[in-house]
Amino acid sequence: QLQLQESGPGLVKPSETLSLTCTVSGGSISSSTYYWGWIRQPPGKGLEWIGSISYSGSTYYNPSLKSRVTISVDTSKNTFSLKLTSVTAADTAVYYCMGAAPGTGVDYWGQGTLVTVSS
Amino acid sequence: QSVLTQAPSASGTPGQRVTISCSGSSSNIGNNYVYWYQQLPGTAPKLLIYRNNQRPSGVPDRFSGSKSGTSASLAISGLRSEDEADYYCAVWDDSLSGQVFGGGTKLTVL
Repeated sequence: QLQLQESGPGLVKPSETLSLTCTVSGGSISSSTYYWGWIRQPPGKGLEWIGSISYSGSTYYNPSLKSRVTISVDTSKNTFSLKLTSVTAADTAVYYCMGAAPGTGVDYWGQGTLVTVSS
Repeated sequence: QSVLTQAPSASGTPGQRVTISCSGSSSNIGNNYVYWYQQLPGTAPKLLIYRNNQRPSGVPDRFSGSKSGTSASLAISGLRSEDEADYYCAVWDDSLSGQVFGGGTKLTVL
């Protein structure tokens, strides 16, 4: 049973970089069983997929965010991270990290963290 | 505007059967597996259905999924008050090379 926990600043200034980390416990982030991803939800709105990374390091990004997004894994810390550059108020959202085992119906989500973009 | 279309709201009375639909295209639903998530207020989404019609361990058999062509549906039978939540469909889109979510359907249990 994995547990995921997001961490990072709750307030980011416009034009700066949003950086979040997801700490995975209860299992190895290097496992070939899972892929890891980020999803966000603006206040009162629906879910938006940001991107994902496989155990092999292959990344997939939302085309609308691709120029600003980087997802990476740190195996030494058992974490994976999200960086979103040049943020605007439109990037204000609850950000969720998740891990899933494809084809198994097994997935795990963090509780989510609200990031507000404001000066 | 999502590439997957869901009605913004649905409702039913306790014990009733309700269906939530998700409409897409050949590049997403027509060619890939559909997933359904339930999101209770203030909580993270929970996987309800994977690979069109498979239930993860622990999900009651009151929840069922189906797919036909470029549309998919989530059915909830024996509706309960605790089923009041937002429901999202999700699928990989080959044209976008990314995952897409439907806009979500808010289910109200009257």
